[in-house]
Amino acid sequence: DVKVTQSSRYLVKRTGEKVFLECVQDMDHENMFWYRQDPGLGLRLIYFSYDVKMKEKGDIPEGYSVSREKKERFSLILESASTNQTSMYLCASSNRQGVLSYNEQFFGPGTRLTVL
Amino acid sequence: AQRVTQPEKLLSVFKGAPVELKCNYSYSGSPELFWYVQYSRQRLQLLLRHISRESIKGFTADLNKGETSFHLKKPFAQEEDSAMYYCALRPYSGAGSYQLTFGKGTKLSVIP
Repeated sequence: DVKVTQSSRYLVKRTGEKVFLECVQDMDHENMFWYRQDPGLGLRLIYFSYDVKMKEKGDIPEGYSVSREKKERFSLILESASTNQTSMYLCASSNRQGVLSYNEQFFGPGTRLTVL
Repeated sequence: AQRVTQPEKLLSVFKGAPVELKCNYSYSGSPELFWYVQYSRQRLQLLLRHISRESIKGFTADLNKGETSFHLKKPFAQEEDSAMYYCALRPYSGAGSYQLTFGKGTKLSVIP
């Protein structure tokens, strides 16, 4: 059974703080993703990575950065948190089995971040 | 750029009534379409994909390229179907595309 875990379920930070959200998957997946989920806006892709040390910008990368030093771990970094980054953050992973095939994304439980 | 539209934020139906969750997309090429579901206090998970052409939990969805739609249907709604449903698109680039574009979601509420 695929397991994607996120370091915190709830997090409260102050404006200007540096925030780290950690995601770990235990299925040796190549691809990892960070989304934010907001009511009325759905899921929006922030960054994704298809290999160690590789990263690609998603649709809303501004204000965020990522790090993937090990295959199983993908970190989302808010360099200077702002109130408009209050949201639910979802991590996902998938394997890369065949260039032309899509493989299901497995999601973590989410981290609800509040920036005061 | 591709776009996925789910016109209904909230859909309420009575138990036993038919359900149709609408999804329209815009994409110039040949996409792959998916439905993801999130039950209360559970993780987002894949419900079905159009290439599988299967029924999951009584739900089906047909890709209509002419109308650029991928509506999710179930003939008789059950209370346990109450959840948030997201339609998603993967652009088929042929070069290995792993990104999904999600719609804004429809919250389905099944009234007992």
